[in-house]
Amino acid sequence: GESVGLHLPTLSVQEGDNSIINCAYSNSASDYFIWYKQESGKGPQFIIDIRSNMDKRQGQRVTVLLNKTVKHLSLQIAATQPGDSAVYFCAPVLPGRRALTFGSGTRLQVQP
Amino acid sequence: NAGVTQTPKFQVLKTGQSMTLQCAQDMNHNSMYWYRQDPGMGLRLIYYSASEGTTDKGEVPNGYNVSRLNKREFSLRLESAAPSQTSVYFCASSEMETQYFGPGTRLLVL
Repeated sequence: GESVGLHLPTLSVQEGDNSIINCAYSNSASDYFIWYKQESGKGPQFIIDIRSNMDKRQGQRVTVLLNKTVKHLSLQIAATQPGDSAVYFCAPVLPGRRALTFGSGTRLQVQP
Repeated sequence: NAGVTQTPKFQVLKTGQSMTLQCAQDMNHNSMYWYRQDPGMGLRLIYYSASEGTTDKGEVPNGYNVSRLNKREFSLRLESAAPSQTSVYFCASSEMETQYFGPGTRLLVL
């Protein structure tokens, strides 16, 4: 199976600062990783993904870094905005598996 | 495109009552999923359907049944609701690994 851990259950940042949300995973066979954002009262929303043959991928204001050696990935959000306040989940995916494994998530609070 | 839709949005049941949660997707995805999310926790997989006509148990299937009615629709049934099934239920669909989620059904079992 796959277990997912997060280093910080709650992260509080000032508006305009950069945010870094970390995620550790246990199964080195995971070959695909997805970050989701869940706002209060809503379903998880896809943010960005990365395959295991990459170590970095950038999107709009977000960057995901993957370190397979230590089984760790991070989500960096540049110039954090109040609308970024949410719970963030990482979901590692094993080859051939469709079901996702979610940890408890990290809550990002953006202070104005 | 509406994406993934779920009905109802909210439901209150008494212990022992039954109900069916409905889910539909308009993205022509083959795979569909049902998750539950308890307060302060991540999502746990109840059942999934890799393709029309197939269903498989997930991590927490006890007390639930599912029906993949057609490619668009995947329903979750609670035959005899229990307070432990109070939760938020999310349906999702996918074609590849990335899953797209509905807005959720909030269920309270008294």
